Amino acid sequence: QVQLQQSGPGLVKPSQTLSLTCAISGDSVSSDSATWNWIRQSPSRGLEWLGRTYYRSKWYHDYAVSVKSRVTINPDTSKNQFSLQLNSVTPEDTAVYYCTRKTGPFDDWGQGALVTVSS
Amino acid sequence: DIVMTQSPDSLAVSLGERATINCKSSQSVLYSSNNKNSLAWYQQKPGQPPKLLIYWASNRKSGVPDRFSGSGSGTDFTLTISSLQAEDVALYYCQQYYTAPWTFGQGTKVEIK
Repeated sequence: QVQLQQSGPGLVKPSQTLSLTCAISGDSVSSDSATWNWIRQSPSRGLEWLGRTYYRSKWYHDYAVSVKSRVTINPDTSKNQFSLQLNSVTPEDTAVYYCTRKTGPFDDWGQGALVTVSS
Repeated sequence: DIVMTQSPDSLAVSLGERATINCKSSQSVLYSSNNKNSLAWYQQKPGQPPKLLIYWASNRKSGVPDRFSGSGSGTDFTLTISSLQAEDVALYYCQQYYTAPWTFGQGTKVEIK
């Protein structure tokens, strides 16, 4: 059974960087059949896919157009986890952030982390 | 991007009665290579992440009660709860995984009448 455990600060100041980590158990971030994604949820945007990282002989990354200039998703094979960094945040980035494992649909989800952008 | 539109936004159903949620995609999500629809349904309860119920439009995930069923093809899909139970009160989302960016419907709130 795959479990995803999220960690990171719940409050970020405007213009700073939001950073979250997702620790994986029961699978490998280097899996050749899964992708590792971040999704956020807010009343104004609903469920919004932000991007993914995955390994298919080499590492790939894809990002949503809405955040592409500000987002980085990286794997950490030594710790079997992956991370989200979102730069230059504004109050519009306030949301619950989820890490997810995807093999087709989004099979497994982290517990979620409410991140508030406020001074 | 593929736009997913659910209807209704909310519905109230008596215990033991049928609940039906519709989902329409702005383009077909049918994979010609395997003749399967890349459409999933999720259930979300307050304070919890979404939970996968149905994938490939009609396949129930292991452990999901058989009162949940999915149907449809191409651009029109339905999630049916055949006999609503109290524990089914939740938000339900459809999602396409045909092509990135992966997109979700706006959600349908199911309540007890």
